[in-house]
Amino acid sequence: SAVISQKPSRDICQRGTSLTIQCQVDSQVTMMFWYRQQPGQSLTLIATANQGSEATYESGFVIDKFPISRPNLTFSTLTVSNMSPEDSSIYLCSVSTSHTGELFFGEGSRLTVL
Amino acid sequence: GENVEQHPSTLSVQEGDSAVIKCTYSDSASNYFPWYKQELGKGPQLIIDIRSNVGEKKDQRIAVTLNKTAKHFSLHITETQPEDSAVYFCAARGSGGSNYKLTFGKGTLLTVNP
Repeated sequence: SAVISQKPSRDICQRGTSLTIQCQVDSQVTMMFWYRQQPGQSLTLIATANQGSEATYESGFVIDKFPISRPNLTFSTLTVSNMSPEDSSIYLCSVSTSHTGELFFGEGSRLTVL
Repeated sequence: GENVEQHPSTLSVQEGDSAVIKCTYSDSASNYFPWYKQELGKGPQLIIDIRSNVGEKKDQRIAVTLNKTAKHFSLHITETQPEDSAVYFCAARGSGGSNYKLTFGKGTLLTVNP
């Protein structure tokens, strides 16, 4: 399995600000994804991070709110823009080595918006 | 799209007893069913998975069974230990155009009492 590092691991932010979360993988992977896990809830896919092109967003998530970059096969960023308390969640980077392979998760970035 | 139901939402057992968590899925084309364990403050960890061409898979104290006809799959943990206490998530992945996407259940909080 790949080793996935996320930064920051946690942060407390003010309403109206933006925060960028970084995800670094120790090997080249085919697929990278960003999930959100609201407090006490399950995992919801935000988007698929596509290398060198715009991310593919799931229903209910838009690029203006969650811009994503993936400049290469091992690195991606997720920005949570113009934050409100409702954005308080764990944001998880996940990777897969193939379209039918296993999905692995990072440790998550725990975001609290005041 | 795919819908995954997971039961029970909480499960408390005595150390040494067995624990069973059940999930049902809606998309008969789904062909991959992983289980994740999430400990407090950590990201989800893949613990076992099963593909649709197999009815059962075991890994030491953990086993997963799949009934394609009934569209349900279950996680079995035998000889439970306190370190098995965590939230467990089931998931399903279809075989359609977006075949990399996992749909997660809502999770089961397992507590193993010493």
